[in-house]
Amino acid sequence: DAKTTQPTSMDCAEGRAANLPCNHSTISGNEYVYWYRQIHSQGPQYIIHGLKNNETNEMASLIITEDRKSSTLILPHATLRDTAVYYCIDHSNSGYALNFGKGTSLLVTP
Amino acid sequence: NAGVTQTPKFQVLKTGQSMTLQCAQDMNHNSMYWYRQDPGMGLRLIYYSASEGTTDKGEVPNGYNVSRLNKREFSLRLESAAPSQTSVYFCASTVGGMGETQYFGPGTRLLVL
Repeated sequence: DAKTTQPTSMDCAEGRAANLPCNHSTISGNEYVYWYRQIHSQGPQYIIHGLKNNETNEMASLIITEDRKSSTLILPHATLRDTAVYYCIDHSNSGYALNFGKGTSLLVTP
Repeated sequence: NAGVTQTPKFQVLKTGQSMTLQCAQDMNHNSMYWYRQDPGMGLRLIYYSASEGTTDKGEVPNGYNVSRLNKREFSLRLESAAPSQTSVYFCASTVGGMGETQYFGPGTRLLVL
């Protein structure tokens, strides 16, 4: 079973911020939180990852709570091309298998 | 760089036939992975190779074999295809271990009749 919990689906209006939550209450101290997305029929694409601090790159921002039990992926200005399934994954560098779970299906509407 | 490439893009097999799915990466990554994705499901790890010459089972290895031919290439073989193996297969690679950013190929869509 997935170690993270995400809503099944979300909607967002084009141009608005999309905030995708993830609970990872069993995360341990050396486990990173990774976000990927999968646009229909394509391979998953890396978005961002973090350990403790908030992170930002050209695609998104990642906000991690102080207790590290949850995080939020923020797409600041969602476009129609951001419609995809978003996966939140926690894993360490110790080598155990990733578990992508079912993710959140984000629909960006005009 | 092409990144991670997979061939073929689509394949139809009859039950009992065999085939090999090919994967190659040009990023000089050490580790490579094979996943399958069934409709409405997340990805499940079939096999992985932490380095050239080594392979290990993932979550769903039954019915599959793999070969890490060299650092660039990692193939997945179905010796006797079954309808339950109808799926989309993704190959991925990482610079080092599984805990790092994974780069995925475009996928191979396999239909077993």
